[in-house]
Amino acid sequence: GNSVTQMEGPVTLSEEAFLTINCTYTATGYPSLFWYVQYPGEGLQLLLKATKADDKGSNKGFEATYRKETTSFHLEKGSVQVSDSAVYFCALNPMEYGNKLVFGAGTILRVKS
Amino acid sequence: DTGVSQDPRHKITKRGQNVTFRCDPISEHNRLYWYRQTLGQGPEFLTYFQNEAQLEKSRLLSDRFSAERPKGSFSTLEIQRTEQGDSAMYLCASSPPGRETQYFGPGTRLLVL
Repeated sequence: GNSVTQMEGPVTLSEEAFLTINCTYTATGYPSLFWYVQYPGEGLQLLLKATKADDKGSNKGFEATYRKETTSFHLEKGSVQVSDSAVYFCALNPMEYGNKLVFGAGTILRVKS
Repeated sequence: DTGVSQDPRHKITKRGQNVTFRCDPISEHNRLYWYRQTLGQGPEFLTYFQNEAQLEKSRLLSDRFSAERPKGSFSTLEIQRTEQGDSAMYLCASSPPGRETQYFGPGTRLLVL
């Protein structure tokens, strides 16, 4: 089946620290991969995506590379800010009929000033 | 784009009551999705529409749940005889023709007492 596993949080970092949130997936086909972010009291916002192996998605200083050999899509940022505090969700689209997304459980990020 | 909107944002009800939520997708988005998110978990797929046709329903969607999209624009999700286990955030998302990226609304948070 299709599933996504994320590292458990919360992840607590100081401002300007390096961030990595691990995400691995299981899929029967060739999925697209996504990172969504959810700020307190708000809905999910698409952060970045990658549609095929070795693609790198990037946005707002965040990056993730689609690694087919390790079935991973780890999220990284070189220097986090307090405003990055949120819940981050890794998701896949198995590219099956309907394009319904499969999400990980989410990782809480807290950045302290 | 004005974004996906959902109404109400919060709903408190007593067990056994019926509730209805509304989702207005981004204009001209032909696909509309409903997801449920419980505390500490990622969203889980419930159902989706392509235009006015409901094309798939998850096993999570019991007989007490019904969704409609009568004119291919807004959608409603009704829960009959609510139970405490229905307490969750209900998220709506839409996507444009030929594109896989889903855009999420702010969600409706339901609390069943």
